[in-house]
Amino acid sequence: DARVTQTPRHKVTEMGQEVTMRCQPILGHNTVFWYRQTMMQGLELLAYFRNRAPLDDSGMPKDRFSAEMPDATLATLKIQPSEPRDSAVYFCASGTPRNTEAFFGQGTRLTVV
Amino acid sequence: AQTVTQSQPEMSVQEAETVTLSCTYDTSESDYYLFWYKQPPSRQMILVIRQEAYKQQNATENRFSVNFQKAAKSFSLKISDSQLGDAAMYFCAYRSRFLSGGYNKLIFGAGTRLAVHP
Repeated sequence: DARVTQTPRHKVTEMGQEVTMRCQPILGHNTVFWYRQTMMQGLELLAYFRNRAPLDDSGMPKDRFSAEMPDATLATLKIQPSEPRDSAVYFCASGTPRNTEAFFGQGTRLTVV
Repeated sequence: AQTVTQSQPEMSVQEAETVTLSCTYDTSESDYYLFWYKQPPSRQMILVIRQEAYKQQNATENRFSVNFQKAAKSFSLKISDSQLGDAAMYFCAYRSRFLSGGYNKLIFGAGTRLAVHP
């Protein structure tokens, strides 16, 4: 059963700490999206990768956020230093350019206290 | 830039009844995809239905169907014979079919929360 896997599912951390979220896209998918979901802003696109290269990260605060794909089976989203306003659910989704839809992971619920 | 608007923050329906969720979008493109995703309390994003803009026929998936009005840029979701398990947040989404550079992100609306009453 092919699925996008995100870890951790939940993370509580103190302000100022580094947070790393991981995503394993579906095997064979070469596009990866990172979305952030909050009550106020809804679903916001943070970053978009194709063939491991970033195509768009304009939605991501560059001073504290970074996204990478060290290999085709792993995408990471890092926040350093974390702030309470980063508290949200972070989703990873994968697909191929010719996939019509993106397949979502179950998300990481991040709480920064 | 493309935008997606869902003007109904909340909707409710009685079990076994029919409900329609609204979505409008703005784009200058002629070829694209539209989707409805469901997000239950488990927070998993589940694809409900997909519509290709070049197809005139409205998509259907069991109890779920859409009313796609391309000229009006409207894409509503109809849920028939509503069930308690349909209670969730529903998101309308747009994706360009134009693949130059492979850049075709999913753009979401703000969502509509659907409550189903027994």
